[in-house]
Amino acid sequence: KNEVEQSPQNLTAQEGEFITINCSYSVGISALHWLQQHPGGGIVSLFMLSSGKKKHGRLIATINIQEKHSSLHITASHPRDSAVYICAAHRYSGNTPLVFGKGTRLSVIA
Amino acid sequence: DSGVTQTPKHLITATGQRVTLRCSPRSGDLSVYWYQQSLDQGLQFLIQYYNGEERAKGNILERFSAQQFPDLHSELNLSSLELGDSALYFCASSPLGGPTDTQYFGPGTRLTVL
Repeated sequence: KNEVEQSPQNLTAQEGEFITINCSYSVGISALHWLQQHPGGGIVSLFMLSSGKKKHGRLIATINIQEKHSSLHITASHPRDSAVYICAAHRYSGNTPLVFGKGTRLSVIA
Repeated sequence: DSGVTQTPKHLITATGQRVTLRCSPRSGDLSVYWYQQSLDQGLQFLIQYYNGEERAKGNILERFSAQQFPDLHSELNLSSLELGDSALYFCASSPLGGPTDTQYFGPGTRLTVL
């Protein structure tokens, strides 16, 4: 079992829909990151969370430390949101500080 | 544009060869990370440097090595290449290399081993 699990793997939505991507982790973490990978391959860091909730534009990220779960929400989705969204857990200890989920491929159709 | 540069963008080589990937971090960032992204494995952490010193090492093969130079640029050396080494290699940088730092990713180097 992977230390970081994301769901769903693939998601197709109509423009304007509210989208939720989930991330569960099994390790102790000091921070959780959400990344966006564009179709061209470039990666952008969206959020760093150690507790609570953050909002940037139409994107909202939440984390529940006790439940070891984080969600990324996109409100009023748009075709330009089409990308792969990756969750990454920054572990407290161990040699590998950042452990990645396999990503959620989002397609937003106009 | 993240401010992180990677060269080359594409690299095609043969099995058994050796290649060097180069990364220049954002101005002011002291920490550099290397990641490998293959189709079946997703993103995997390879190694992290902070101000010239190795800080953390992940699932990096013995055939791979890296270093960070005094000017803070970093190089990832891949030797005795195998078909399975074909992947996207990303470099990222952050100010202090801590867990709450935002990492800024370069555009990646696509390595194809034939």
